[in-house]
Amino acid sequence: QSALTQPPSASGSPGQSVTISCTGSSSDVGSYNRVSWYQQHPGKAPKLMIYEVSKRPSGVPDRFSGSKSGNTASLTVSGLQADDEADYFCSSYAGSTNLLVMFGGGTELTVL
Amino acid sequence: QLQLQESGPGLVKPSGTLSLTCAVSGVSISGVNWWSWVRQAPGKGLEWIGEIYHSGSTHYNPSLKSRVTMSVDKSKNQFSLTVTSVTAADTAVYYCVRDQGGMTFDLWGRGTLVSVSS
Repeated sequence: QSALTQPPSASGSPGQSVTISCTGSSSDVGSYNRVSWYQQHPGKAPKLMIYEVSKRPSGVPDRFSGSKSGNTASLTVSGLQADDEADYFCSSYAGSTNLLVMFGGGTELTVL
Repeated sequence: QLQLQESGPGLVKPSGTLSLTCAVSGVSISGVNWWSWVRQAPGKGLEWIGEIYHSGSTHYNPSLKSRVTMSVDKSKNQFSLTVTSVTAADTAVYYCVRDQGGMTFDLWGRGTLVSVSS
């Protein structure tokens, strides 16, 4: 099973919106609404930003939103702020046999 | 305060055994959650290693299954990871994490860097 596919980089200016994609297969992203997104600043642990495709944990700004279509999930960050500059990883539940969860390779978001 | 804290040697020799412990505070390890280990090689992405329930039930990443063992100590509210026959490819920051359900990791430790080198 291969990792989920994310673009290595994305960028946007302050105030703009940026969308990061996460492509899997019919065995993971396409089959389950268990897609999560994590934000990781340099030297820090990842932080849960989105779970179950589009739900936000308490404390996460509504500028962060998630969606899914077929085998591809997306994270949209609206109203970009300097502190949004970080690495973003997606993950998906991959079924009850073998590998339970897969991660994407990560996308480095730059705020120009 | 809800917190996970990894501990263990920061340097392991090749072919040796990597052992880490995660101390859980602010919540009982005997609750409804599964507890996982996730690692991140320098400059790389995240890799799920495996998970354990307070009953001792485990699930491991098939790619690591032959070398990984997890255990739980309910009396100390902690769980542990052992990886045998380590190589340089096992050099990574190791995180202990809580699964809030459906492999959604809502609580992370700060991580501990383990280097494999002679």
